[in-house]
Amino acid sequence: GAVVSQHPSWVICKSGTSVKIECRSLDFQATTMFWYRQFPKQSLMLMATSNEGSKATYEQGVEKDKFLINHASLTLSTLTVTSAHPEDSSFYICSAPIVGTGRTNEKLFFGSGTQLSVL
Amino acid sequence: LAKTTQPISMDSYEGQEVNITCSHNNIATNDYITWYQQFPSQGPRFIIQGYKTKVTNEVASLFIPADRKSSTLSLPRVSLSDTAVYYCLVGDSGGSYIPTFGRGTSLIVHP
Repeated sequence: GAVVSQHPSWVICKSGTSVKIECRSLDFQATTMFWYRQFPKQSLMLMATSNEGSKATYEQGVEKDKFLINHASLTLSTLTVTSAHPEDSSFYICSAPIVGTGRTNEKLFFGSGTQLSVL
Repeated sequence: LAKTTQPISMDSYEGQEVNITCSHNNIATNDYITWYQQFPSQGPRFIIQGYKTKVTNEVASLFIPADRKSSTLSLPRVSLSDTAVYYCLVGDSGGSYIPTFGRGTSLIVHP
């Protein structure tokens, strides 16, 4: 199946610093990628839709200046958490869709996630 | 966007068949039903997808009645490793489909 690689798996940083998370589609091209955030025991919350070559679309309540998304190529999207604070500590997950043909629809392939801890 | 409703949690024992039902009363004509599995501290992974009737793969079966207002994920003979959260998503890739996750069903398989 399709592979989405996400790095780093975990990161610890000091409050006020920035952290970049990379999401790569290894064997397919992704014009769109989705970024999610997940707190313990909760569901995935969509943060933004990353669009190759254009601006990301952010969900309501997500600060675009704090969570910078760049989708510079068909295989790479990055999420940068700027000026991180302890409340930004969370599990961040990216995904890329593959749209089926014929009788199949879109399937999402997910990265392994990044656990961010801000001290 | 069709809203989905699933049981919050389920318990089962090794070797049993587990059926998890998802309600999606507002499903649209072009919408497909997709199930994902998530283990702790991992990204979800695709399990199965269907449009109507029954779909089966090496992992699970998906039953969809004629009115398509619900679907049931069936896991045959579960093992401890099937303990995970299972999410049902409904949508169509055409247009501006934004994959939004509901609360999911936390399945715990006991020895």
